[in-house]
Amino acid sequence: NSKVIQTPRYLVKGQGQKAKMRCIPEKGHPVVFWYQQNKNNEFKFLINFQNQEVLQQIDMTEKRFSAECPSNSPCSLEIQSSEAGDSALYLCASSLSAEVFFGKGTRLTVV
Amino acid sequence: GDSVTQTEGLVTLTEGLPVMLNCTYQTIYSNPFLFWYVQHLNESPRLLLKSFTDNKRTEHQGFHATLHKSSSSFHLQKSSAQLSDSALYYCALRSGTGGYKVVFGSGTRLLVSP
Repeated sequence: NSKVIQTPRYLVKGQGQKAKMRCIPEKGHPVVFWYQQNKNNEFKFLINFQNQEVLQQIDMTEKRFSAECPSNSPCSLEIQSSEAGDSALYLCASSLSAEVFFGKGTRLTVV
Repeated sequence: GDSVTQTEGLVTLTEGLPVMLNCTYQTIYSNPFLFWYVQHLNESPRLLLKSFTDNKRTEHQGFHATLHKSSSSFHLQKSSAQLSDSALYYCALRSGTGGYKVVFGSGTRLLVSP
């Protein structure tokens, strides 16, 4: 069973509102990933971190998306001004070696 | 860049028949890691199988797969499908550890009927 903890499980926001979700990676895992799984069940890589440093990120949609992994605090992904197209399952995952383990996800609905 | 191809979007089977889900990949790296994840309805992806070694069969929970670098394939098989196997199955590739991201295929939905 995965030990990646994501909160909240469900998030409902109006268009233009901020949406923030958090992730506690599995203890000892230095690498954290964020993926978006859309309504067609396709995975889109968003960003990954090693400890607190960003390793890779996509051109995060007009900079509306921001993410961080501060030391001694949960990682977070925030959408500054939510749009209907942001409705999706946001998955956080962590890794120590090759295997990557996912949390249960935050399902964001933008109304 | 890296890519994973799953040719079947939907596979429907009767319980008890064998399962084979196809997966091929592309990468310039010579030692990729290949994975199969299973995602049941309203759940998150769960790691089912992994392989790093060429031509070595890996098994878990009745499923098995063999990484064949010569054909860049990692097909998922099971001898006898069960109703509880109905789910989305994703083949995934990671070219290294550390900063290398996981690249997912488009997924195959397996529906097993009585």
